Amino acid sequence: NAGVTQTPKFQVLKTGQSMTLQCAQDMNHEYMSWYRQDPGMGLRLIHYSVGAGITDQGEVPNGYNVSRSTTEDFPLRLLSAAPSQTSVYFCASSRAEREVFFGQGTRLTVV
Amino acid sequence: AQSVTQLDSHVSVSEGTPVLLRCNYSSSYSPSLFWYVQHPNKGLQLLLKYTSAATLVKGINGFEAEFKKSETSFHLTKPSAHMSDAAEYFCVVSSNDYKLSFGAGTTVTVRA
Repeated sequence: NAGVTQTPKFQVLKTGQSMTLQCAQDMNHEYMSWYRQDPGMGLRLIHYSVGAGITDQGEVPNGYNVSRSTTEDFPLRLLSAAPSQTSVYFCASSRAEREVFFGQGTRLTVV
Repeated sequence: AQSVTQLDSHVSVSEGTPVLLRCNYSSSYSPSLFWYVQHPNKGLQLLLKYTSAATLVKGINGFEAEFKKSETSFHLTKPSAHMSDAAEYFCVVSSNDYKLSFGAGTTVTVRA
């Protein structure tokens, strides 16, 4: 049982490049979400999904897209990377009234 | 709307002494409250969770937290700090199952 798996663990992008951060869970959780962690700000919600085909914006959605075509996968797309998107990204999944599980994080640097 | 304020950005304690991490919250609904710990360059681990059952919640590694509705607080304590407790701690509030609001975090250092 792998839990929540994020890939890659580290990534360096040039300004303007696009990329997709992958997130997969094998626990059949209906809820999945993406957070970014910046020093002194805790984790902030980017986008979330309450089930396949359903997504919504969180607190800081600008510059990011998501889709949820399957229960297991919830990729996060950076359309045109900017230095302000340098951060550590966490994917999370959960089931109703159960513990939220986090992936190990993706450390992204945009130069 | 929901939000969390962690009152201390950094706490330093001696090994074997008590630890207190303070958290105040606001929420429009009856919230669930959590404490998570993050060790350096690691992911997040759930310490404990409050969901309107007992107001004193016991977690892993000797930590506990007390929910005080009148004070809108959810402070985390441990009677005796260990070197392995050095980490960053996040207080988290949620009014549903999938939208968590994190505090800014409290960094704990433990002196030998």
